[in-house]
Amino acid sequence: QKEVEQDPGPLSVPEGAIVSLNCTYSNSAFQYFMWYRQYSRKGPELLMYTYSSGNKEDGRFTAQVDKSSKYISLFIRDSQPSDSATYLCAMSEGNQFYFGTGTSLTVIP
Amino acid sequence: ETGVTQSPTHLIKTRGQQVTLRCSSQSGHNTVSWYQQALGQGPQFIFQYYREEENGRGNFPPRFSGLQFPNYSSELNVNALELDDSALYLCASSISATSKEQYFGPGTRLTVT
Repeated sequence: QKEVEQDPGPLSVPEGAIVSLNCTYSNSAFQYFMWYRQYSRKGPELLMYTYSSGNKEDGRFTAQVDKSSKYISLFIRDSQPSDSATYLCAMSEGNQFYFGTGTSLTVIP
Repeated sequence: ETGVTQSPTHLIKTRGQQVTLRCSSQSGHNTVSWYQQALGQGPQFIFQYYREEENGRGNFPPRFSGLQFPNYSSELNVNALELDDSALYLCASSISATSKEQYFGPGTRLTVT
Protein backbone atom coordinates (compact mmCIF):
# COMPACT_ATOMS: atom_id res chain seq x y z
CA GLN A 1 0.00 0.00 0.00
CA LYS A 2 1.33 3.42 -0.96
CA GLU A 3 1.77 6.03 1.76
CA VAL A 4 -0.36 8.51 -0.19
CA GLU A 5 -3.15 7.65 -2.62
CA GLN A 6 -4.51 10.11 -5.15
CA ASP A 7 -6.91 9.53 -8.03
CA PRO A 8 -4.98 10.41 -11.20
CA GLY A 9 -8.12 11.49 -13.06
CA PRO A 10 -8.21 13.01 -15.58
CA LEU A 11 -10.81 15.45 -14.35
CA SER A 12 -12.53 17.79 -16.79
CA VAL A 13 -14.87 20.60 -15.64
CA PRO A 14 -16.49 23.66 -17.23
CA GLU A 15 -15.18 27.12 -16.38
CA GLY A 16 -16.69 28.45 -13.16
CA ALA A 17 -17.26 25.01 -11.61
CA ILE A 18 -16.17 24.05 -8.10
CA VAL A 19 -13.42 21.46 -8.23
CA SER A 20 -12.78 18.93 -5.48
CA LEU A 21 -9.44 17.10 -5.33
CA ASN A 22 -8.74 14.46 -2.72
CA CYS A 23 -6.01 12.29 -1.21
CA THR A 24 -5.97 9.56 1.38
CA TYR A 25 -3.01 8.41 3.41
CA SER A 26 -2.04 5.61 5.71
CA ASN A 27 0.65 7.09 8.01
CA SER A 28 -0.90 8.67 11.09
CA ALA A 29 2.43 10.38 11.85
CA PHE A 30 1.90 12.90 9.03
CA GLN A 31 1.40 16.36 10.52
CA TYR A 32 1.80 18.74 7.59
CA PHE A 33 -0.24 18.55 4.42
CA MET A 34 0.58 20.38 1.21
CA TRP A 35 -0.97 20.98 -2.19
CA TYR A 36 1.14 21.70 -5.25
CA ARG A 37 0.22 22.65 -8.80
CA GLN A 38 2.38 21.40 -11.64
CA TYR A 39 2.09 22.67 -15.17
CA SER A 40 3.38 20.51 -18.00
CA ARG A 41 7.18 20.38 -18.13
CA LYS A 42 7.52 22.57 -15.03
CA GLY A 43 8.42 21.98 -11.41
CA PRO A 44 5.65 21.80 -8.78
CA GLU A 45 4.48 25.10 -7.28
CA LEU A 46 3.34 25.20 -3.65
CA LEU A 47 -0.28 26.38 -3.37
CA MET A 48 -0.79 26.03 0.36
CA TYR A 49 -0.02 23.91 3.36
CA THR A 50 -1.84 23.13 6.58
CA TYR A 51 -0.84 21.75 9.92
CA SER A 52 -2.93 18.97 11.49
CA SER A 53 -6.72 18.94 11.01
CA GLY A 54 -8.89 21.84 9.92
CA ASN A 55 -9.50 24.19 7.03
CA LYS A 56 -7.37 26.84 5.37
CA GLU A 57 -8.52 29.28 2.74
CA ASP A 58 -6.45 31.30 0.27
CA GLY A 59 -8.40 33.16 -2.37
CA ARG A 60 -10.27 30.64 -4.52
CA PHE A 61 -8.50 27.70 -2.85
CA THR A 62 -9.58 25.90 0.33
CA ALA A 63 -7.64 23.02 1.87
CA GLN A 64 -9.28 20.63 4.33
CA VAL A 65 -7.63 18.00 6.50
CA ASP A 66 -9.49 15.27 8.36
CA LYS A 67 -6.87 13.34 10.31
CA SER A 68 -9.42 10.99 11.85
CA SER A 69 -10.30 9.74 8.36
CA LYS A 70 -6.78 10.23 6.94
CA TYR A 71 -8.32 12.27 4.14
CA ILE A 72 -7.39 15.65 2.69
CA SER A 73 -9.11 17.80 0.10
CA LEU A 74 -8.46 20.85 -2.04
CA PHE A 75 -11.41 22.86 -3.32
CA ILE A 76 -11.09 25.33 -6.17
CA ARG A 77 -13.95 27.80 -6.54
CA ASP A 78 -14.81 29.60 -9.77
CA SER A 79 -12.34 27.46 -11.71
CA GLN A 80 -10.50 29.11 -14.60
CA PRO A 81 -8.83 27.66 -17.71
CA SER A 82 -5.50 28.76 -16.18
CA ASP A 83 -6.15 26.27 -13.36
CA SER A 84 -5.64 23.44 -15.87
CA ALA A 85 -2.66 21.54 -14.47
CA THR A 86 -1.75 18.50 -12.41
CA TYR A 87 -2.44 18.87 -8.69
CA LEU A 88 -0.22 17.00 -6.27
CA CYS A 89 -0.92 16.42 -2.61
CA ALA A 90 2.04 15.92 -0.30
CA MET A 91 2.53 15.10 3.35
CA SER A 92 5.53 15.26 5.60
CA GLU A 93 7.02 13.27 8.41
CA GLY A 94 10.08 15.05 9.70
CA ASN A 95 11.98 16.39 6.73
CA GLN A 96 10.68 13.78 4.28
CA PHE A 97 7.85 14.59 1.93
CA TYR A 98 5.56 11.98 0.40
CA PHE A 99 3.68 12.92 -2.75
CA GLY A 100 0.57 11.53 -4.38
CA THR A 101 0.64 10.65 -8.07
CA GLY A 102 -1.21 13.84 -8.99
CA THR A 103 -4.65 14.55 -10.47
CA SER A 104 -4.78 16.00 -13.97
CA LEU A 105 -7.37 18.81 -14.19
CA THR A 106 -8.68 20.48 -17.33
CA VAL A 107 -11.00 23.51 -17.06
CA ILE A 108 -12.92 23.97 -20.29
CA PRO A 109 -13.74 27.60 -21.30
CA GLU B 1 15.24 37.49 -6.06
CA THR B 2 16.34 34.55 -8.20
CA GLY B 3 14.35 31.34 -8.00
CA VAL B 4 15.63 27.80 -8.02
CA THR B 5 17.55 26.94 -11.18
CA GLN B 6 18.68 23.57 -12.48
CA SER B 7 21.07 22.47 -15.20
CA PRO B 8 21.08 20.96 -17.67
CA THR B 9 17.46 21.02 -18.88
CA HIS B 10 17.70 17.73 -20.72
CA LEU B 11 20.26 14.96 -20.76
CA ILE B 12 20.62 11.67 -22.61
CA LYS B 13 22.93 9.03 -21.18
CA THR B 14 23.71 5.40 -21.86
CA ARG B 15 23.13 2.61 -19.35
CA GLY B 16 26.16 2.21 -17.07
CA GLN B 17 27.31 5.81 -17.40
CA GLN B 18 27.48 8.39 -14.64
CA VAL B 19 25.64 11.74 -14.52
CA THR B 20 25.85 14.95 -12.47
CA LEU B 21 22.89 17.28 -12.14
CA ARG B 22 23.15 20.76 -10.66
CA CYS B 23 20.87 22.99 -8.64
CA SER B 24 21.16 26.57 -7.42
CA SER B 25 18.97 27.26 -4.43
CA GLN B 26 16.85 30.35 -3.95
CA SER B 27 18.61 33.27 -2.31
CA GLY B 28 18.58 32.94 1.50
CA HIS B 29 17.79 29.20 1.44
CA ASN B 30 20.21 26.78 3.12
CA THR B 31 18.40 23.51 2.43
CA VAL B 32 18.09 21.58 -0.81
CA SER B 33 16.07 18.42 -1.39
CA TRP B 34 16.24 16.23 -4.49
CA TYR B 35 13.35 14.28 -5.98
CA GLN B 36 12.87 11.80 -8.80
CA GLN B 37 9.61 12.08 -10.74
CA ALA B 38 8.88 9.25 -13.15
CA LEU B 39 6.34 9.84 -15.91
CA GLY B 40 2.82 9.93 -14.52
CA GLN B 41 4.03 9.68 -10.91
CA GLY B 42 4.51 12.05 -8.04
CA PRO B 43 7.98 13.16 -6.95
CA GLN B 44 9.89 10.66 -4.79
CA PHE B 45 12.25 11.98 -2.13
CA ILE B 46 15.90 11.07 -2.78
CA PHE B 47 17.70 13.06 -0.06
CA GLN B 48 18.04 16.42 1.60
CA TYR B 49 21.12 18.55 2.20
CA TYR B 50 21.28 21.09 4.99
CA ARG B 51 24.36 23.24 5.49
CA GLU B 52 26.52 20.91 3.37
CA GLU B 53 25.51 17.71 5.21
CA GLU B 54 23.07 14.98 4.14
CA ASN B 55 20.03 15.39 6.36
CA GLY B 56 17.74 12.51 5.48
CA ARG B 57 17.47 10.01 2.65
CA GLY B 58 14.65 8.22 0.91
CA ASN B 59 14.62 4.67 -0.41
CA PHE B 60 17.29 5.11 -3.07
CA PRO B 61 20.47 3.01 -3.49
CA PRO B 62 23.95 4.38 -2.66
CA ARG B 63 24.72 4.99 -6.34
CA PHE B 64 22.58 8.13 -5.84
CA SER B 65 24.83 10.60 -4.02
CA GLY B 66 24.96 14.31 -3.53
CA LEU B 67 26.89 17.33 -2.45
CA GLN B 68 26.04 20.75 -1.15
CA PHE B 69 28.49 23.63 -1.47
CA PRO B 70 29.16 26.59 0.87
CA ASN B 71 26.88 28.79 -1.28
CA TYR B 72 24.15 26.12 -0.74
CA SER B 73 24.02 25.06 -4.37
CA SER B 74 23.89 21.31 -4.79
CA GLU B 75 24.74 18.41 -7.07
CA LEU B 76 23.06 15.05 -7.56
CA ASN B 77 25.32 12.29 -8.87
CA VAL B 78 24.03 9.00 -10.19
CA ASN B 79 26.47 6.19 -10.97
CA ALA B 80 25.94 3.05 -13.06
CA LEU B 81 22.82 4.43 -14.72
CA GLU B 82 19.92 2.06 -15.29
CA LEU B 83 17.03 2.39 -17.72
CA ASP B 84 14.64 2.95 -14.78
CA ASP B 85 16.60 6.06 -13.81
CA SER B 86 14.94 7.86 -16.73
CA ALA B 87 12.86 10.55 -15.06
CA LEU B 88 12.51 14.23 -14.24
CA TYR B 89 14.90 15.15 -11.43
CA LEU B 90 13.70 18.02 -9.32
CA CYS B 91 15.46 20.00 -6.67
CA ALA B 92 13.64 22.09 -4.12
CA SER B 93 15.10 24.66 -1.78
CA SER B 94 13.74 25.88 1.54
CA ILE B 95 14.76 28.48 4.08
CA SER B 96 15.53 25.83 6.70
CA ALA B 97 15.54 22.05 7.12
CA THR B 98 12.26 22.19 9.07
CA SER B 99 10.39 24.50 6.71
CA LYS B 100 7.42 22.99 4.88
CA GLU B 101 7.63 25.60 2.14
CA GLN B 102 9.71 24.10 -0.62
CA TYR B 103 10.35 25.92 -3.86
CA PHE B 104 11.02 23.69 -6.85
CA GLY B 105 13.20 24.23 -9.84
CA PRO B 106 12.05 23.34 -13.36
CA GLY B 107 13.82 19.99 -13.27
CA THR B 108 16.31 18.10 -15.40
CA ARG B 109 14.85 15.47 -17.70
CA LEU B 110 17.20 12.50 -17.83
CA THR B 111 16.81 9.80 -20.47
CA VAL B 112 18.84 6.61 -20.13
CA THR B 113 19.12 4.48 -23.28
